[in-house]
Amino acid sequence: DTEVTQTPKHLVMGMTNKKSLKCEQHMGHRAMYWYKQKAKKPPELMFVYSYEKLSINESVPSRFSPECPNSSLLNLHLHALQPEDSALYLCASSPPGTGPSSYNSPLHFGNGTRLTVT
Amino acid sequence: LAKTTQPISMDSYEGQEVNITCSHNNIATNDYITWYQQFPSQGPRFIIQGYKTKVTNEVASLFIPADRKSSTLSLPRVSLSDTAVYYCLATVDKAAGNKLTFGGGTRVLVKP
Repeated sequence: DTEVTQTPKHLVMGMTNKKSLKCEQHMGHRAMYWYKQKAKKPPELMFVYSYEKLSINESVPSRFSPECPNSSLLNLHLHALQPEDSALYLCASSPPGTGPSSYNSPLHFGNGTRLTVT
Repeated sequence: LAKTTQPISMDSYEGQEVNITCSHNNIATNDYITWYQQFPSQGPRFIIQGYKTKVTNEVASLFIPADRKSSTLSLPRVSLSDTAVYYCLATVDKAAGNKLTFGGGTRVLVKP
């Protein structure tokens, strides 16, 4: 079990569907992250929220839309995805730090949502 | 985008010590080196973090030379359950996002 909870664990969606991935943590962390991981590849950073504000967007296509409704929750809204978007989507959280120490704190990951786009 | 560099894979046997070296030649002055372990279909799990010299915890040691251009994760007396992918993270140029960029990882296979 992890302290970062992701739902659903598995999701199959068609290319015209709209779905959302959810992530929740109650560790008081104020930075939350979305990563995408393809099979046998390292996780790739997508988005970072710090104090509920989007601070990093790694040039992710607009069919992925993140949302941070409060300090404990992080959503990833999906629309008009392509089959190549099939992957494991990982959420993480950490204390953000400040200035030169920003993002030096270890990341706490959930176990991901396995997404298949058909 | 600059990343850390690690060996792609390593094989070992139960009870042996495994050492994985990560290269981060242009590491930013203020940044730490962090190692994660990942099992299939799970998220990465934090193992250890350090800034310089040596850090030890209950599962691993981390050795960082004075120039900080590399680091070595040491796993003492590995067991079959240590079979996993190990990633090191460090900022190798100054953009904040790079601090959060995983390198290729090292696939460690522990054999009986």
